[in-house]
Amino acid sequence: SQELEQSPQSLIVQEGKNLTINCTSSKTLYGLYWYKQKYGEGLIFLMMLQKGGEEKSHEKITAKLDEKKQQSSLHITASQPSHAGIYLCGAAETATGNQFYFGTGTSLTVIP
Amino acid sequence: ETGVTQSPTHLIKTRGQQVTLRCSSQSGHNTVSWYQQALGQGPQFIFQYYREEENGRGNFPPRFSGLQFPNYSSELNVNALELDDSALYLCASSSGTSGTLTDTQYFGPGTRLTVL
Repeated sequence: SQELEQSPQSLIVQEGKNLTINCTSSKTLYGLYWYKQKYGEGLIFLMMLQKGGEEKSHEKITAKLDEKKQQSSLHITASQPSHAGIYLCGAAETATGNQFYFGTGTSLTVIP
Repeated sequence: ETGVTQSPTHLIKTRGQQVTLRCSSQSGHNTVSWYQQALGQGPQFIFQYYREEENGRGNFPPRFSGLQFPNYSSELNVNALELDDSALYLCASSSGTSGTLTDTQYFGPGTRLTVL
């Protein structure tokens, strides 16, 4: 099965600080998704990366997919309390695309 | 707002009972998938339906079953509930026409199931 490893497991940062969350796959990815989840709620789609070396930004969040398409990072600049939540990376199973895997998640706390 | 709704919001059942959870997808989304998320873990893929047929399944026993209807609604049924089935159940829909999960999925708010 495909596994997605996320690090760190949790982060506590002061408001205004930058932070990075990593997602590593054991297999080449054909699409890597980033979602945000507020505790106990549904997932909010952030970004999707498909091409090696691709980088996308939305507001203060930037996501990158490495050239080999096995590692992705999510970077938040000047964090705010509204960024708090659980960040999840996910990808479809590479062989058939008929299964979907999520990482274990990174819990982010932003202290005002 | 993703346009995906789920009902009920919360549910309490006892071990051995059966439960049906419901999801309403965005109009035009032919693919729906279901996930189980235990506390403190990432969502685990249960199965996906494409045009009313099961098209992919994760590592869940047959007592987890589903249905998808032509009106973009779907159900997750769980028989013979066990304590470990307590979790947040999420459904997601996507507009992909390939029947795979390579298109963006939009999630509902989830149903919190507690099994006593």
